[in-house]
Parts: sequence; C-alpha cells; structure tokens
Amino acid sequence: GDSVTQMEGPVTLSEEACLTINCTYTATGYPSLFWYVQYPGEGLQLLLKATKADDKGSNKGFEATYRKETTSFHLEKGSVQVSDSAVYFCALTTSNYQLIWGAGTKLIIKP
Amino acid sequence: GAGVSQTPSNKVTEKGKYVELRCDPISGHTALYWYRQSLGQGPEFLIYFQGTGAADDSGLPNDRFFAVRPEGSVSTLKIQRTERGDSAVYLCASSLNPNYEQYFGPGTRLTVT
Repeated sequence: GDSVTQMEGPVTLSEEACLTINCTYTATGYPSLFWYVQYPGEGLQLLLKATKADDKGSNKGFEATYRKETTSFHLEKGSVQVSDSAVYFCALTTSNYQLIWGAGTKLIIKP
Repeated sequence: GAGVSQTPSNKVTEKGKYVELRCDPISGHTALYWYRQSLGQGPEFLIYFQGTGAADDSGLPNDRFFAVRPEGSVSTLKIQRTERGDSAVYLCASSLNPNYEQYFGPGTRLTVT
C-alpha cells in the first residue's frame, strides 16, 4: 500500500543553519504531497504542498520539490530560526483523499 | 473565522467504558476526516465523510469504533468498550471538498486507564 518514510529525529541545528528533512514515498497513481508542521502545544498546520511532478511548494522560507524520478519530497530551508522548532510531517493523498503520514521529524533549533 | 474545534480537549475514562468525541468543522466544509495519532507517530486515518455519509471507513480498527455526521456538519466519533490501546490523540479535519486542503482541529487526548 501507499506509504511515507521520513528521516528520524530529533534533528538539532544551530540558528541560521541550513535544513534538509528527507521524505520519500511509495504510491500507486499520482499522489499529492504535503508537509505539515506541529508547533509545541498547537494543532497540525499545512506548511506547503505540491500536486504534480516537478512542482515546488514554498512557504515561510521552506521549500520542497516533488521529484517523481526519486519519489521524494525533501523539506529545505536555507537559514532556520529558533521559532522553526516543531515536529514536521510529510504526507500524501491519492484518489481516496485520506492523508497517509510519515512518522514525523522533531526539529530543535538552538540559539 | 472559526477553525475546526474538538471537544473535549482531554478525556480520561476507565477500560470498558463508552466515550464520544465531538468535532465541529469549519462552516461550509463538506468533507470531514477523523485520524488517530499515537505518541511519536504520524496520524492514522480512521474515517472520511462527504456530507452526511461515510465515504470511506476503511481505517476504523474494529466494530467498537463508529462515527456519525447526521446533518452534514458536526461529527461524533463513538468508541464502545474502550481498551487501553485506544489511548491516543484523536484528530478531526475538514476541507471545503475532498480535493482541497484539510484543516485540523487541536485534537482530543483520550486516556483509557
């Protein structure tokens, strides 16, 4: 069945460091891909999405490119801030609309 | 405007009891989803409503779990004969229609003792 695999955390970085959180997927058909973020004490929020191959989603300085050839959707940011500390989830939907989720990656940014 | 709301925010119950969890979606959203999230894991799909009907209930773990959405708005997730393994955060999401972004509520943390 469809699945999402993302890198295990926690990922600990210093402020202004570059970030990459890896995400790969297995899906039949043509999935839409998402990154959600969960800040401490808050609910899940959509960070960015891409609905077809080669699309790039971007928001709040984060980017991810839908790579069909490598079945990947890695999350990147050039310079992280303390406020980016959160848990990040990669997810996909296919034709039945339900979201299939990765296990989440906790990101810790130190000042 | 108001987002998705869920009540209660926390529920502690004894093994074997019955519980109801409520979700109020964003007004006008026709699609409603329930997910369950265990500690350290991503959410797991339970059931999806389009309007009043359950369009996909393939994620419900067994027949102790049931959900309704009688008027196409508020939904209630019902769990009978709760077990300790049911302890998790139950998340509700809604979307304008199934092809659109899902907006999540804050969740209900269920603890079965």
